[in-house]
Amino acid sequence: GQQVMQIPQYQHVQEGEDFTTYCNSSTTLSNIQWYKQRPGGHPVFLIQLVKSGEVKKQKRLTFQFGEAKKNSSLHITATQTTDVGTYFCAGPGANAGKSTFGDGTTLTVKP
Amino acid sequence: DTEVTQTPKHLVMGMTNKKSLKCEQHMGHRAMYWYKQKAKKPPELMFVYSYEKLSINESVPSRFSPECPNSSLLNLHLHALQPEDSALYLCASSQDFHNEQFFGPGTRLTVL
Repeated sequence: GQQVMQIPQYQHVQEGEDFTTYCNSSTTLSNIQWYKQRPGGHPVFLIQLVKSGEVKKQKRLTFQFGEAKKNSSLHITATQTTDVGTYFCAGPGANAGKSTFGDGTTLTVKP
Repeated sequence: DTEVTQTPKHLVMGMTNKKSLKCEQHMGHRAMYWYKQKAKKPPELMFVYSYEKLSINESVPSRFSPECPNSSLLNLHLHALQPEDSALYLCASSQDFHNEQFFGPGTRLTVL
C-alpha cells in the first residue's frame, strides 16, 4: 500500500535558525497537504499543493511539491517559538476519502 | 462558522461502559471523518462518511460504532473498550474528499 515517509522525526533549533521537513511518497500523489499540530492541540491545515514543481509561500513558510509529485518539503525561515509543534504531510490514499499521514516532524525551538 | 466542535473534551470510562463521542460542523461539508491518535503518532483513520453514508471503515473493531444522523453531526458509539483504546479521538470534515480537512479539538479518552 501507499507509504508516506517524513524526516526528520525530531528537530531542535535555536530561535532564528531555519528548519526543513521532508515528505516522500512511495507512489505519485495527486496532491499533498500540510498540517501543523501544536502540543496538546489538533491538526490545523496549512496548505495544499497540486501541481508538479509547485512552490507556495506563507510568510516565513515555503512549501514545495516535487517535479515527480512524489516528494514535498516545508521550510521555515528564521524560526520563532510560535513555530513549535508537529508538522504532518498527508497524501490521498488509494481509496477516495482516505488520507495517508506521514509520521510527522516535531519541531522544538529554543529561545 | 468555520469550526468543528467535539464533545466531551475528556472522557474516562470503564471497560464495561457505553459512551458516545459527538462531532458537529456547520460548514456544509459533505465528508466527515473519525481519527484515532496515540501520543507522538500521526492521526490514524477509522471511518469516513460521505453524504451521510459510511464510505470507509478501516477494519475498526466492532466495539467502535459510527453514526451520522445528519449532514452536520457525527457520533462514535463506544462499548466494551480496552485500555489500549485510550487515545485522542479526532473528528474532521472537508468539503469533499479532495479538499483540506478541518479538525475538531478532539476527545481525550481514557479507558480504565
